[in-house]
Amino acid sequence: AQSVSQHNHHVILSEAASLELGCNYSYGGTVNLFWYVQYPGQHLQLLLKYFSGDPLVKGIKGFEAEFIKSKFSFNLRKPSVQWSDTAEYFCAVRGNTGKLIFGQGTTLQVKP
Amino acid sequence: GAGVSQSPRYKVAKRGQDVALRCDPISGHVSLFWYQQALGQGPEFLTYFQNEAQLDKSGLPSDRFFAERPEGSVSTLKIQRTQQEDSAVYLCASSSSPTGGLWQPQHFGDGTRLSIL
Repeated sequence: AQSVSQHNHHVILSEAASLELGCNYSYGGTVNLFWYVQYPGQHLQLLLKYFSGDPLVKGIKGFEAEFIKSKFSFNLRKPSVQWSDTAEYFCAVRGNTGKLIFGQGTTLQVKP
Repeated sequence: GAGVSQSPRYKVAKRGQDVALRCDPISGHVSLFWYQQALGQGPEFLTYFQNEAQLDKSGLPSDRFFAERPEGSVSTLKIQRTQQEDSAVYLCASSSSPTGGLWQPQHFGDGTRLSIL
């Protein structure tokens, strides 16, 4: 069955700390992976995506993610978080017919 | 506006009532998806349209849920005889890719928060 697991449900960091959010997936087909972010009161927005090629993907706002096929992982990283990064983060894998299969999400709280 | 528009933003209904949720996708977007997001969870797929054709409805939880997109643009998600477990945020997403976002991402609306009393 297709599934996505996010290990950290709630993360609290101070500004300038480094961030890594874990994501593991289970999917047998060609893997397309995504990270979406939902800022308070806003809709889901795409942070970055992986389709093929370089496994290190750079997205908006200084975020990056690394696809490690052998570990079925697609962890999200940022070297130095800001208060404005406070949001909910969702990892997703593209399933058949294009639907997205999401993890349960990680709430990131950045303390100023 | 240029984004996906959903209405109403909030809907309160009594158990047993029927509700209809509307989605206006980005103009020209071929693919349209509905997702259900329960509190504290990630969105879960409900159904997918390519133009007016409903190609995947495997995520609809019961025959009380029905979706349509008759002219290939606006879509309506209808829930009949609502139950308390239907309380959730219902998200709509659209993509310009006919394969549902393979090379073009899905753009999400703000969602409709449905509360069943």
